[in-house]
Amino acid sequence: AQTVTQSQPEMSVQEAETVTLSCTYDTSESNYYLFWYKQPPSRQMILVIRQEAYKQQNATENRFSVNFQKAAKSFSLKISDSQLGDTAMYFCATLDQGGSEKLVFGKGTKLTVNP
Amino acid sequence: DTGVSQDPRHKITKRGQNVTFRCDPISEHNRLYWYRQTLGQGPEFLTYFQNEAQLEKSRLLSDRFSAERPKGSFSTLEIQRTEQGDSAMYLCASSWDRLAAYEQYFGPGTRLTVT
Repeated sequence: AQTVTQSQPEMSVQEAETVTLSCTYDTSESNYYLFWYKQPPSRQMILVIRQEAYKQQNATENRFSVNFQKAAKSFSLKISDSQLGDTAMYFCATLDQGGSEKLVFGKGTKLTVNP
Repeated sequence: DTGVSQDPRHKITKRGQNVTFRCDPISEHNRLYWYRQTLGQGPEFLTYFQNEAQLEKSRLLSDRFSAERPKGSFSTLEIQRTEQGDSAMYLCASSWDRLAAYEQYFGPGTRLTVT
């Protein structure tokens, strides 16, 4: 069974600074996807960034980038130039490509960006 | 593309009552997912449809829960004889197909409170 662990329940960062959110996972599959989802207060969850496990290159989306360490089963999210609108819950999730299409989520990290 | 919608957004019910939630996916998305999110936790998978076929159900989905997706469009999730432990946010998500790299689009959720 897949598991996802986010060891930082809460984090805070000053506006314009950089913050890294940690995630480790476990899966027995060789083909899988990893995701970071953002859930702003009282708003719906949106996809931040996606990584395909067979790709060695780390994914980037504007100010968001990941550090994917496959052997260590680590998938951290770096947010550069943090903005007030980045304040949200961030969930790391995994999906096995060959089997069920369900997402397995971690418990989340509450990120607060301070002005 | 109006996004995934869910109705109602909030539901308060008394223990023992039945409740039904509706999810309208993004048009032409053939995959639809239900997740449950309790306070302080990440979403947990409940069930998944491809078109009108229910392909997977979590063990979390007890006999009191039933989901349908007639004609492969909107979906309903019914909870019979609600219990206080059913209080949670019920999230719906949809996606196009595997070629869309498994990106799931989430709705705003239905928050259920059982008193």
